[in-house]
Parts: sequence; C-alpha cells; structure tokens
Amino acid sequence: AQSVAQPEDQVNVAEGNPLTVKCTYSVSGNPYLFWYVQYPNRGLQFLLKYITGDNLVKGSYGFEAEFNKSQTSFHLKKPSALVSDSALYFCAVRDNTGNQFYFGTGTSLTVIP
Amino acid sequence: NAGVTQTPKFQVLKTGQSMTLQCAQDMNHNSMYWYRQDPGMGLRLIYYSASEGTTDKGEVPNGYNVSRLNKREFSLRLESAAPSQTSVYFCASSEKGAKVDEQFFGPGTRLTVL
Repeated sequence: AQSVAQPEDQVNVAEGNPLTVKCTYSVSGNPYLFWYVQYPNRGLQFLLKYITGDNLVKGSYGFEAEFNKSQTSFHLKKPSALVSDSALYFCAVRDNTGNQFYFGTGTSLTVIP
Repeated sequence: NAGVTQTPKFQVLKTGQSMTLQCAQDMNHNSMYWYRQDPGMGLRLIYYSASEGTTDKGEVPNGYNVSRLNKREFSLRLESAAPSQTSVYFCASSEKGAKVDEQFFGPGTRLTVL
C-alpha cells in the first residue's frame, strides 16, 4: 500500500533562513511524489513533482525537493524563506494505477519576520 | 479559465438532512476527485471518477454518493448527514488520471452538521 508520512506538524523558521519540510514515503514500485501548498481558506496548489530522472526537482515559488531512494524521502526545501511562504504543506504519492493520491497529514510552516 | 469551482462555499445541516455538493472544471480534464480534509488527518479520498461515465470508491466512501454528470461536472451527495461528516470538502481534477499528472483543486466547501 502507498503512504506518505510528514513527521513534523509544525515548522518555524526565520525569514531569510533555509527551510526544510520533511516527507518519507512507502510505495510498491516506482514512486510518483508530489508537494502541494495550502494557504488559509484556499484549495491546494501544486508545487512540484518527482516522476523520474534528476533527484533534485525544482518547482514553483523557488521551492525544490530532493528525492532520496535509499532513505525513501522527498523533503521540500527553499534556500531563503519568505514570510509569504507561511502555509500548510502536503506531501502526496500517487498509486500505481494512477487513480488515487495518498496525502500526508500536512506540515504547518511559519516564517517569522 | 475558472479552473475548478465548487458550490456552496459554506453549508450548515442538521443531522439527517441531505445535500449535494457541486463541482465543475473547465480544463477538459478526464479525472475528477472528491476529498475531505480534517485536522490532523490530511486529505482523504472519498470517491473518484477516472473518466466520464465511471466512478470508484476511495478511502472513505461510506455515507456518500457521487455522480459524474458529464465531463465537466462531478457532484457529491450526502443522503443523511451525520456530525462525523463535518469537514471541509475539496473537489479536484487532473488531465489524464495518469501517474504523472498533478491535480487541480477547487476552493473547498466547509460543511457543518449539527
């Protein structure tokens, strides 16, 4: 069965510092991994995805994620955090049929001015 | 393009009442989905429709029914609402339903069942 885990409910980081939001996954077969962001009272927005190829994936708003097969991780990163990055972040994995996503429980990121 | 739209934005029901949540997308996507979002539990899939004319159960289908009315529209019905169905409901769509395609989400419906 496919699943993802986000071990941190809350991450706080100072503005200008690098940020990391963690995600580990469990899949049978090749992983198809995604990051989404949710701003207050809004739907989820796609940030980036890993399908195959380069382990470092670049996405929207300066975010990137590193796929690590040996550690079964797909951590979201940004070199310099902005206050406007404060939001809820979800990691997700797509199942092998392509029909279903499985989401993590979300990590609330707060960037402190 | 409006993307994915949902109506209503907010709804309060009494236990036992019924209602239908509406969703429409204008991106010509084949696949559509209904999720519920609860604190500490992330998003859980209720039902999905891989293509027009088909629907399948997701992780938490009990108490819900769906209709894929046409390629654009995918509705979610609560026949007899229960307090446990208090949640925020999101509709989403994706182009092919293939593994590589990300989902596009609507703004959500906040439902309270008293």
